[in-house]
Amino acid sequence: KAGVTQTPRYLIKTRGQQVTLSCSPISGHRSVSWYQQTPGQGLQFLFEYFSETQRNKGNFPGRFSGRQFSNSRSEMNVSTLELGDSALYLCASSLAGESSSYNEQFFGPGTRLTVL
Amino acid sequence: AQSVSQHNHHVILSEAASLELGCNYSYGGTVNLFWYVQYPGQHLQLLLKYFSGDPLVKGIKGFEAEFIKSKFSFNLRKPSVQWSDTAEYFCAVEGTGKLIFGQGTTLQVKP
Repeated sequence: KAGVTQTPRYLIKTRGQQVTLSCSPISGHRSVSWYQQTPGQGLQFLFEYFSETQRNKGNFPGRFSGRQFSNSRSEMNVSTLELGDSALYLCASSLAGESSSYNEQFFGPGTRLTVL
Repeated sequence: AQSVSQHNHHVILSEAASLELGCNYSYGGTVNLFWYVQYPGQHLQLLLKYFSGDPLVKGIKGFEAEFIKSKFSFNLRKPSVQWSDTAEYFCAVEGTGKLIFGQGTTLQVKP
């Protein structure tokens, strides 16, 4: 079974631009979560989507948004990029169901975003 | 709010040495606990997890961890490390539907 895939793997943007990152979960997984990884802040939870609805949200500004499609693929968007948004953005999928009981998350390779 | 604290940021060991990485969390409710590992150039992957039952859990590659509820701790152990264990290790807690990670510990094993 194919793992979680993320595209693109690397991205360079300038301040003020916006960016969209994509994540394809493992087949059959309906929950997709996004994380930001930086040397200073470590791994921080952004949000989780299940059945096209945001089910959980971390403490990030509204510039960070996401969505999920009917095939469970998810996109994350960051508008008005700032230098501090440079990070590795990780996507994880799981078999979590509607009850939101926890299931193991499987991580993708990440998208390395550099903001200049 | 939930938080996770990993005691060591950088650990250097020789092969065959024993390993213990500390992890403490703060959360008053029921939690699920995890250790993840990120080998150089690879994806984050699960080492082991604790949901309930026996507080001593065994994971892949000879790793184990002990959940001590009274101490809010979930320390990772391995009796004898190998050079291939060189990686970054993350402790994580789930209590409200989202994973909260510690800052990570970089383990360097010298051959």
